[in-house]
Amino acid sequence: DGGITQSPKYLFRKEGQNVTLSCEQNLNHDAMYWYRQDPGQGLRLIYYSQIVNDFQKGDIAEGYSVSREKKESFPLTVTSAQKNPTAFYLCASSIGGDYTEAFFGQGTRLTVV
Amino acid sequence: QKEVEQNSGPLSVPEGAIASLNCTYSDRGSQSFFWYRQYSGKSPELIMSIYSNGDKEDGRFTAQLNKASQYVSLLIRDSQPSDSATYLCAVKGDGGATNKLIFGTGTLLAVQP
Repeated sequence: DGGITQSPKYLFRKEGQNVTLSCEQNLNHDAMYWYRQDPGQGLRLIYYSQIVNDFQKGDIAEGYSVSREKKESFPLTVTSAQKNPTAFYLCASSIGGDYTEAFFGQGTRLTVV
Repeated sequence: QKEVEQNSGPLSVPEGAIASLNCTYSDRGSQSFFWYRQYSGKSPELIMSIYSNGDKEDGRFTAQLNKASQYVSLLIRDSQPSDSATYLCAVKGDGGATNKLIFGTGTLLAVQP
């Protein structure tokens, strides 16, 4: 089955620790995205990547880092510099280019304890 | 000015009525427009995409796009309680970046039995 897989579904982090969220897709999509969603809020773009080895900052990139070494994978690291990391994190992918749709993984719910 | 704006709601409609959801966007260069449905605690699900001016119908859903006025809307006919969810408007190609996908804050729809 083709799809987008995010892991883990739930993640707990101690303050001051870095943590990496996984996003893998087997749809052969070029573009991949990371969003953050806070309770009752919309999706805010953290980073996106249009092709392998390239990525751009979104609106709230501070405190986050990404890599795109393989087409299938776009991991997101939440660093200790992110002051309020508790949120629902969503990864999406798209074929890329104009007039193409994006599809989402299940999401990872990160809680700082 | 927000890039993609939606009324947060809640929009309450009786079962069987037409629900009308609206969205405006700021970047005239945007090319692709999407509506996603998100149930509480779940990831967004794509329900409609529209790329040219006019109406696009799919079952009970109709998306409408007016690029001159920079708005896109979603009509849901014969609304059902199962349609109760948050509806997210998304715009692609923001700021001239082809793959940049930006979301509004969402409109909460409540269909009353």
